[in-house]
Amino acid sequence: QVQLVQSGAEVRKPGSSVKVSCKASGGTVSNYVITWVRQAPGQGLEWMGEIIPILGTANYAQKFQGRVTSTADESTSTAYMELSNLRSDDTAMYYCARDMSNTAAFDIWGQGTMVTVSS
Amino acid sequence: QSALTQPASVSGSPGQSITISCTGTSSDVGGYYYVSWYQQHPGKAPKLMIYDVSNRPSGISNRFSGSKSGNTASLTISGLQAEDEADYYCSSYTSSNTDVFGTGTKVTVL
Repeated sequence: QVQLVQSGAEVRKPGSSVKVSCKASGGTVSNYVITWVRQAPGQGLEWMGEIIPILGTANYAQKFQGRVTSTADESTSTAYMELSNLRSDDTAMYYCARDMSNTAAFDIWGQGTMVTVSS
Repeated sequence: QSALTQPASVSGSPGQSITISCTGTSSDVGGYYYVSWYQQHPGKAPKLMIYDVSNRPSGISNRFSGSKSGNTASLTISGLQAEDEADYYCSSYTSSNTDVFGTGTKVTVL
């Protein structure tokens, strides 16, 4: 069974960037859509974007257009999400998840990466 | 893309049934049979409970069921148990080729 293992917690200053990784262990994610979701403290889930590793194509929520970049390295079965120009309200838990059928059905989730933006 | 609308909270006694609604538009919930539901316990990652409106992944109890009518999808939990106390979120594919989550519903077992 595939598991998604994310990189560790990060602390960044406003205006900087952060890159979160999501590695598939026990399988590959090449043929699936990998989605990025964030959750600010005490708040709901927010869809940020997705990437199809085998195609290298990405799609983002309008809110994050121009600030977020999703990439993937098929050789290491790892997906990445980079968020730039960080603000304090970007402080959140960031999750990667596998979309099992490209229909907003996220069946496997990473453990989450806490990103704190503070001066 | 605006978040789908869910009630902030729903409660029920053990053994009862509860229903959580998820209201969108014809550009998301109403336009596709691609609505999913997630359960999230505090400090944990979300867990897929229902996909494609009414399908249960392997291992999910049949106490959980989903349906859709027009622009509103629903999740019903029957035979409510203490372990069902959690936050629940719906999600939908959209006409913009993106996905969107609901606002979330806190389920309390009385």
